[in-house]
Amino acid sequence: KAGVTQTPRYLIKTRGQQVTLSCSPISGHRSVSWYQQTPGQGLQFLFEYFSETQRNKGNFPGRFSGRQFSNSRSEMNVSTLELGDSALYLCASKDGEQAPYEQYFGPGTRLTVT
Amino acid sequence: EDQVTQSPEALRLQEGESSSLNCSYTVSGLRGLFWYRQDPGKGPEFLFTLYSAGEEKEKERLKATLTKKESFLHITAPKPEDSATYLCAVQASGGSYIPTFGRGTSLIVHP
Repeated sequence: KAGVTQTPRYLIKTRGQQVTLSCSPISGHRSVSWYQQTPGQGLQFLFEYFSETQRNKGNFPGRFSGRQFSNSRSEMNVSTLELGDSALYLCASKDGEQAPYEQYFGPGTRLTVT
Repeated sequence: EDQVTQSPEALRLQEGESSSLNCSYTVSGLRGLFWYRQDPGKGPEFLFTLYSAGEEKEKERLKATLTKKESFLHITAPKPEDSATYLCAVQASGGSYIPTFGRGTSLIVHP
C-alpha cells in the first residue's frame, strides 16, 4: 500500500495570506489527523476527521480549519497567516475508529511564513 | 491532564555502545503507548505499540518495554543509521483518544 502523501512539501507564504495543505491517507484508512510540529512546542494536535466529520479539535485558533472528503482525503486551511505559523504540518492516518490504533504519518509540509 | 516526559533530551553514543531512552507518563488509564522514529525533515515512522505493563516488543536493534509509569526504548549495539529523534506518545482510555506526544530524544550515533 502507498503511504500517506502530503502536498505541497514546501511552501513559503507572506503574513496575512492564507494557505491550504492537502493529505491523502493510506488506502482504507478513514481517520485523518493533523499536527503542527515546531522546535519549541513539539508535536501539537490540530484536529481529527473521521468519515468527513471533525471528531476532535486541539487548542488552536479558528484561523486553522480543515475538512475531509468522501474519499478520506483531507485538507487543512490556515487563514491570515502569522510568523508563528511557520512549522512542519504533519498529517497522519489510521485504520479503525477507536484506540489504540497506531497512526501513520506523511512526510509533512514545511510552511515558512515571512 | 495526560503528560509525557522523555529523557534525555539528547544522547550521543559511539557505534556499538548500547543505551536506553526513557518515556515517563501520567495518564488516567493507559490504552496504548507508541514509539516513533523521526528523521530530520520527515514525518514520524511508527515503531511499536505497547498495551500493558510487562509487555515487550523488539525490532532489529530496538526493544521497547513498558511499566505502569514508564517505557524504555533499549538500543543494542547501535549503528550510525539509528541516529534520529525518538518520540513517545500515550493514548488514554476513555475520552477523545487523541495521543499525547513527548518532546522526543535526539539520538546521534557516531561511527
